[in-house]
Amino acid sequence: QKEVEQNSGPLSVPEGAIASLNCTYSDRGSQSFFWYRQYSGKSPELIMFIYSNGDKEDGRFTAQLNKASQYVSLLIRDSQPSDSATYLCAVSRSNDYKLSFGAGTTVTVRA
Amino acid sequence: KAGVTQTPRYLIKTRGQQVTLSCSPISGHRSVSWYQQTPGQGLQFLFEYFSETQRNKGNFPGRFSGRQFSNSRSEMNVSTLELGDSALYLCASSLGHSGSYEQYFGPGTRLTVT
Repeated sequence: QKEVEQNSGPLSVPEGAIASLNCTYSDRGSQSFFWYRQYSGKSPELIMFIYSNGDKEDGRFTAQLNKASQYVSLLIRDSQPSDSATYLCAVSRSNDYKLSFGAGTTVTVRA
Repeated sequence: KAGVTQTPRYLIKTRGQQVTLSCSPISGHRSVSWYQQTPGQGLQFLFEYFSETQRNKGNFPGRFSGRQFSNSRSEMNVSTLELGDSALYLCASSLGHSGSYEQYFGPGTRLTVT
């Protein structure tokens, strides 16, 4: 079982719609969760982090964490073509605090 | 505040050679982590340094090594390069331990081994 799994994608959404990205993790003791956006040919850019159960909103982005279900998600509201990128979920391991990354979900926002 | 910087940005080396990559973290950040990113394996953790000490290490052979200086700048070295070492090498910095603090990536060094 992979430590961090993301929906494989690619995910295609129309401009203005909500893009929903999912991530599950295997380490029940994980405490820190991060979402990165990576444009093609660029390095990952931190867009959200969440440590507590519930929702955290930042502009058009909302991260949702459910530790009981070992699930973290990212919602992108009012999707724009500039949101077209690969989104990486990262989870901190409880035993050594290393960050484990998922394989990423590629999102394409079509105009 | 300046971001994470990495040098060089691009590198072409021949199999069997060795290479040294450099990373300067965000000012005030004491933790530097290194990652290898390839299309097939995704983003894989190499090692993390905090206050000049290696805190964590990933599952890479001993050909991959690193160090951190007193000013938090870090270098990683790959000896006896193999074709499979061709990848984007990313450095990331954080205030404290990478698992507990937000981590910010540099632009990466694209290494091609021929």
